[in-house]
Amino acid sequence: KAGVTQTPRYLIKTRGQQVTLSCSPISGHRSVSWYQQTPGQGLQFLFEYFSETQRNKGNFPGRFSGRQFSNSRSEMNVSTLELGDSALYLCASSFGTGDSQPQHFGDGTRLSIL
Amino acid sequence: EDQVTQSPEALRLQEGESSSLNCSYTVSGLRGLFWYRQDPGKGPEFLFTLYSAGEEKEKERLKATLTKKESFLHITAPKPEDSATYLCAVQAELRGMRFGAGTRLTVKP
Repeated sequence: KAGVTQTPRYLIKTRGQQVTLSCSPISGHRSVSWYQQTPGQGLQFLFEYFSETQRNKGNFPGRFSGRQFSNSRSEMNVSTLELGDSALYLCASSFGTGDSQPQHFGDGTRLSIL
Repeated sequence: EDQVTQSPEALRLQEGESSSLNCSYTVSGLRGLFWYRQDPGKGPEFLFTLYSAGEEKEKERLKATLTKKESFLHITAPKPEDSATYLCAVQAELRGMRFGAGTRLTVKP
């Protein structure tokens, strides 16, 4: 069974640009969550999507947004990039939402802002 | 606000030297506590879910336990391949998972 797939694995952008990251969940999983991981703040929850609807949202500015498609694939977008947005962005999928099913993570997209 | 504190930050063990990692949490409406392992350059790998105080789960050399305020990950006779960062996370109703900062474990042969 294929795991969670994130593309691209690495990205380099400059300040002010925008970026879109992609996540394909495990087959049959309908919930997709996004996290930001940095050395200083650790893993922080961004948002969760289930059946194309945002279910939960973390404490991040509106520059961070996401969406989910009917096939459960998800994208997240960051606009007007800042140096502090440099991080590993992780996507995780689970079968359901709110039922404490374990989330399974991809290997992330490493975003570097110059 | 949900809080998760892991200790120690780093732990160095000799191969075969058993020890425990701690995860203290404060959360209202706990739905589950999760343990993950993360290797450098990789995403977290799911290990265990614990749902209620008194519950225990085992997998190879790892055993996770849960009380009302903390969880322990016991590592018995560790091997060098157990070296990784171990992350604890809590899930509450209608909120995303909150992770601790992790414990970086190094097992020397």
